[in-house]
Amino acid sequence: GESVGLHLPTLSVQEGDNSIINCAYSNSASDYFIWYKQESGKGPQFIIDIRSNMDKRQGQRVTVLLNKTVKHLSLQIAATQPGDSAVYFCAEATGYSTLTFGKGTMLLVSP
Amino acid sequence: EAGVTQSPTHLIKTRGQQATLRCSPISGHTSVYWYQQALGLGLQFLLWYDEGEERNRGNFPPRFSGRQFPNYSSELNVNALELEDSALYLCASSSRLAGGEAQYFGPGTRLLVL
Repeated sequence: GESVGLHLPTLSVQEGDNSIINCAYSNSASDYFIWYKQESGKGPQFIIDIRSNMDKRQGQRVTVLLNKTVKHLSLQIAATQPGDSAVYFCAEATGYSTLTFGKGTMLLVSP
Repeated sequence: EAGVTQSPTHLIKTRGQQATLRCSPISGHTSVYWYQQALGLGLQFLLWYDEGEERNRGNFPPRFSGRQFPNYSSELNVNALELEDSALYLCASSSRLAGGEAQYFGPGTRLLVL
């Protein structure tokens, strides 16, 4: 979703649930996408990336899905843990351009 | 392997002063990127350096400038500081010139302008 000012979209889940964080990107020509996790007071941490010639990629407990038709990217986290609580950013790039970041979604995991 | 390092971790300046922030990329990375993250907001792209050259610049005034040294480390300079420059400044590095490679971030420098 879109954030307004200081108000980030927030997803609250219980420990052990699966989480799905969504991102709508703007440029239909974007061909590279990344998900980052940012914990409070730290720099963003790379989670997983995907190129536009794929529609799904899996990592350890995470899956990224890409739907180019509707310009939508999602991050699925399996068996969410309290340590997954953070702000998650998607980012897109086109060819040789720099990354453009979305505004972020806050994930809150309660024990 | 050491990650991206930034110094200082915190910096306090007064309005009108100049700030210099430093970044060392991951060994082997030639591209360095600078971002500004104001409180509660997303990452705004500032500058991209590769092989000592400025490759791209975000929508920031000229008082934001930088350079990249032969060892690929980088400096961000902010002149004539304004209160709204208070933010977390993040440096990232990647392994080649082309976009489409993952950028790895440092812990950031938190700049406070009084």
